[in-house]
Amino acid sequence: KNEVEQSPQNLTAQEGEFITINCSYSVGISALHWLQQHPGGGIVSLFMLSSGKKKHGRLIATINIQEKHSSLHITASHPRDSAVYICAVGTGNQFYFGTGTSLTVIP
Amino acid sequence: GAVVSQHPSRVICKSGTSVKIECRSLDFQATTMFWYRQFPKKSLMLMATSNEGSKATYEQGVEKDKFLINHASLTLSTLTVTSAHPEDSSFYICSAGRLSGQGGSNQPQHFGDGTRLSIL
Repeated sequence: KNEVEQSPQNLTAQEGEFITINCSYSVGISALHWLQQHPGGGIVSLFMLSSGKKKHGRLIATINIQEKHSSLHITASHPRDSAVYICAVGTGNQFYFGTGTSLTVIP
Repeated sequence: GAVVSQHPSRVICKSGTSVKIECRSLDFQATTMFWYRQFPKKSLMLMATSNEGSKATYEQGVEKDKFLINHASLTLSTLTVTSAHPEDSSFYICSAGRLSGQGGSNQPQHFGDGTRLSIL
């Protein structure tokens, strides 16, 4: 069993739709990251959080420490949001990555 | 703008060549840098963690003599793939952590754009 599980693996949405990507983890963490990887390979760190909720533009990330679960939401999705979204957790000594969610937003 | 610069973005070279990849933090001092490898359609795999002025910590299964990491300054870490072979072809990416309220510099907050290495 992986330390970090993401769902769904693949997601196709119409432009404007509200999108949710889920991440569950099984280890004690110091922080959870949501990353965005574009087709060219470059990675952007979207959020780093250890509690509660963070919002940046149309992106919202939440984490429930007790349930060991985090969600990434995208409101009013746009084709430029098409990318692979990766959940990662840091335990202080280790860093674990989810396998990513490939999102395609269709105009 | 980018806060971590990785160079080169793409390398194609012959088998047996050693290849050096640089990772620079542009506007902050990175006491900790991380090197990852990514296979096609797979997630990132942490190879090693480098701390400025000390030896890198390699993950299990990563050959330290094959993948030499140097973190000589607070703004530069290098990964050298020695005597590269076709099986070393992959996408390599670095990240850097800076001191913050959450987790200190051990969190890889800023990523480079990656280096696509192709060994012929």
